[in-house]
Amino acid sequence: GAVVSQHPSWVICKSGTSVKIECRSLDFQATTMFWYRQFPKQSLMLMATSNEGSKATYEQGVEKDKFLINHASLTLSTLTVTSAHPEDSSFYICSAPLGTGNTEAFFGQGTRLTVV
Amino acid sequence: QKEVEQDPGPLSVPEGAIVSLNCTYSNSAFQYFMWYRQYSRKGPELLMYTYSSGNKEDGRFTAQVDKSSKYISLFIRDSQPSDSATYLCAMSVTDSWGKLQFGAGTQVVVTP
Repeated sequence: GAVVSQHPSWVICKSGTSVKIECRSLDFQATTMFWYRQFPKQSLMLMATSNEGSKATYEQGVEKDKFLINHASLTLSTLTVTSAHPEDSSFYICSAPLGTGNTEAFFGQGTRLTVV
Repeated sequence: QKEVEQDPGPLSVPEGAIVSLNCTYSNSAFQYFMWYRQYSRKGPELLMYTYSSGNKEDGRFTAQVDKSSKYISLFIRDSQPSDSATYLCAMSVTDSWGKLQFGAGTQVVVTP
């Protein structure tokens, strides 16, 4: 299947700092990518839809000023957690659909963020 | 009430047994149903995909959807230790595979 690569796999940062997570589609172009967050023992929750060349669409309750999303090219979306706090510690996963319509979305391997 | 309910387990079965997993949901508009497998600290990988009601079989895996009961199931036959993982159900109203509603995932442990 198609490959979506996420970097870094894990990161530890100090409270108050910002962290950038990259999501790349390696062998296909993705005009749309999706960012999820997963807390321990809980389901993946969609945070936002990243749209190439335009603003991201955030789900209700997700702070757009805290979770900055940039989709500058057809193969790269970035999620920046600004002024991170311990409660932002979570597993962040991106996905990218292979095309439009009824096509599978492939997931990255996820990024484990720990804020200390 | 969560839109998608899934027992988190863990579910422990001996090697060779049938693993039975299920999810219930409340939104009758869901039409696309998926099962993903997720290993620890990895992203989910798609196992099965079903549109609307019915059964689908792929090797040792069988997915069932009963829209009238808002209930979906995944069966794994002849389970192997390598099947030990967390299994997530996911659903979508549209054919946009990105905007999925996930269950919490069931941890499965297959013991040799």
